[in-house]
Parts: sequence; structure tokens; C-alpha cells
Amino acid sequence: GEDVEQSLFLSVREGDSSVINCTYTDSSSTYLYWYKQEPGAGLQLLTYIFSNMDMKQDQRLTVLLNKKDKHLSLRIADTQTGDSAIYFCAEKGQAGTALIFGKGTTLSVSS
Amino acid sequence: NAGVTQTPKFQVLKTGQSMTLQCAQDMNHNSMYWYRQDPGMGLRLIYYSASEGTTDKGEVPNGYNVSRLNKREFSLRLESAAPSQTSVYFCASRPDYRTNEQFFGPGTRLTVL
Repeated sequence: GEDVEQSLFLSVREGDSSVINCTYTDSSSTYLYWYKQEPGAGLQLLTYIFSNMDMKQDQRLTVLLNKKDKHLSLRIADTQTGDSAIYFCAEKGQAGTALIFGKGTTLSVSS
Repeated sequence: NAGVTQTPKFQVLKTGQSMTLQCAQDMNHNSMYWYRQDPGMGLRLIYYSASEGTTDKGEVPNGYNVSRLNKREFSLRLESAAPSQTSVYFCASRPDYRTNEQFFGPGTRLTVL
């Protein structure tokens, strides 16, 4: 069945790079997404990547996609305390156009 | 442009009580969704609506009903609340272009005692 897996926690120091990893199962996914959830808030789309791309860069964010291994990663350069949040990887599911989410990676940034 | 709005923000119910969670979007999106978020479980789809007048079950529909009242509004009803329905509920909507990104509301935090 459809499944998206992520590590649950990541702790980094301010100024370091953060790398959050994700694996997915549906090889037909056309888009893959990264969402950010700050405490007490809803989910905010950070970025997405089309399945025919290997990499997408958007300011401090770099998304890498390895379709062969069904592996997606999000790199945050120069991580700041404001980046502390839960990050969700998602792919499009089979049920209509709904998304299948991973359990989320909690990123903790210390100064 | 308020995006996706949800009411109420917080609610406490007793087992067996009923309530309706409201969701509205002002972005003219056809598709709308209800998810629940539980610790360590990520988000799971309860129901979705691809257009006004249509609804379909998601992964965890038991104990819930939905109504797509019009293009803007998509409500979620708990007829007889149970402690297992204690969760954070998110409504989302999606535009019709191909990237399929979804826009989320701020959530409703529901506790069932």
C-alpha cells in the first residue's frame, strides 16, 4: 500500500545545515511535497518537486529526488531558530487527489 | 483573501455529544479535504470532496459524516463523539492546476472526555 516514511527527530545547531529524509512507495507519484508546521498552526507548503526533476533549489531550501530509490530529501542551509518546526513529506495518494503524509520530522534548532 | 478558515479553534466534548466542525475557503477551489492529526501518526484523510455535491471516504471515515454545502464550505460532523476522536482536525482545499498542492486551515483542536 501507500506509505511515506520519515525519521521523527533532528537536532541541529544554528548556522548548520539540516537534512530531512523521506522514502515513499508510489512510483507513479508525479509531485512530491514538503510541508512545514509551526507549533499550534496548520501546514504550510514549503516546496514541491516534479518527478522528472532530480533537484530543486529555492533560496535556503534544496530538494533532492532519487526516483530509483524512492528517496526524497530536504536540505535547509544556514538553519535558523525560526526553522524549528515539524516537516512533513507527502505524495499524492490514490484516493482522488488527497495527499499521503509521513509522520513528520521534528526539527529542533539550538543557538 | 482569508484562505481556508476553520471554526471553532478549540472544543471539548463529552462522550456521546455531537458537533459540527466548519470549514470555508474563499479561493474558488473545487476540491476540499478533512484530515485528522494524531501524535506520531501524521495526517490521515477522513473524507474529501472533489466538487460541490460530491463526497468520498478517505482512510479513516468511521464515526464521521461530511457535507459539501456549496463550493466554499465543507463541514465535518461527529454524531456521537468518542474519546478516540480526540485529535487535531485540519481542513484543506486544492486548486485545479496540476501541481496538486493543498492549502490548509489553522486546525480545530478537539478533546472528547
